Amino acid sequence: ETGVTQSPTHLIKTRGQQVTLRCSSQSGHNTVSWYQQALGQGPQFIFQYYREEENGRGNFPPRFSGLQFPNYSSELNVNALELDDSALYLCASSPRGNTEAFFGQGTRLTVV
Amino acid sequence: DAKTTQPPSMDCAEGRAANLPCNHSTISGNEYVYWYRQIHSQGPQYIIHGLKNNETNEMASLIITEDRKSSTLILPHATLRDTAVYYCIVTADNYGQNFVFGPGTRLSVLP
Repeated sequence: ETGVTQSPTHLIKTRGQQVTLRCSSQSGHNTVSWYQQALGQGPQFIFQYYREEENGRGNFPPRFSGLQFPNYSSELNVNALELDDSALYLCASSPRGNTEAFFGQGTRLTVV
Repeated sequence: DAKTTQPPSMDCAEGRAANLPCNHSTISGNEYVYWYRQIHSQGPQYIIHGLKNNETNEMASLIITEDRKSSTLILPHATLRDTAVYYCIVTADNYGQNFVFGPGTRLSVLP
């Protein structure tokens, strides 16, 4: 148990739809990162939020967007879903200055 | 692209030490070496990290060569529960985020 909670655990969406994934970070953790993990591959960094502002972004298009709230929980939004967006989406949190990131169990998104 | 190279798979007998190698020949002076593992269908789990000195914690030991171009993660007494994909990551992000994961090493601990 890492104290990082993601919801929902599984989700099925249709191509073209929009989806919102949620992450509740561990108490006191003000930095949150999101990763996409396709089947059989390592996680790929999407973006990071620190104190409600985006603080780094990987090679993902603008239809991937996020939010961080005052309580440091976070959302990942994906618009215009494509079949290739099917993946495990992971959230990781840490307190600023700490070098260990704690990952949640992920949300398995399937786009049909 | 990942800055590290790892063997795709390894086997280890239960109770023996598992030694997982990682090459990071282009590592910069301010970059750390991190190790995470991922058990099937779970999120990655932090194991250990270091800059240039060898490190040890309750889970594992990390041995970094003097030139820092390679490292070895050592699980001293592997158990069946250590079967997982092990990722070696090099990053300058001192806050432990923005990791670039490669394909990792799939370690199978055999009874």
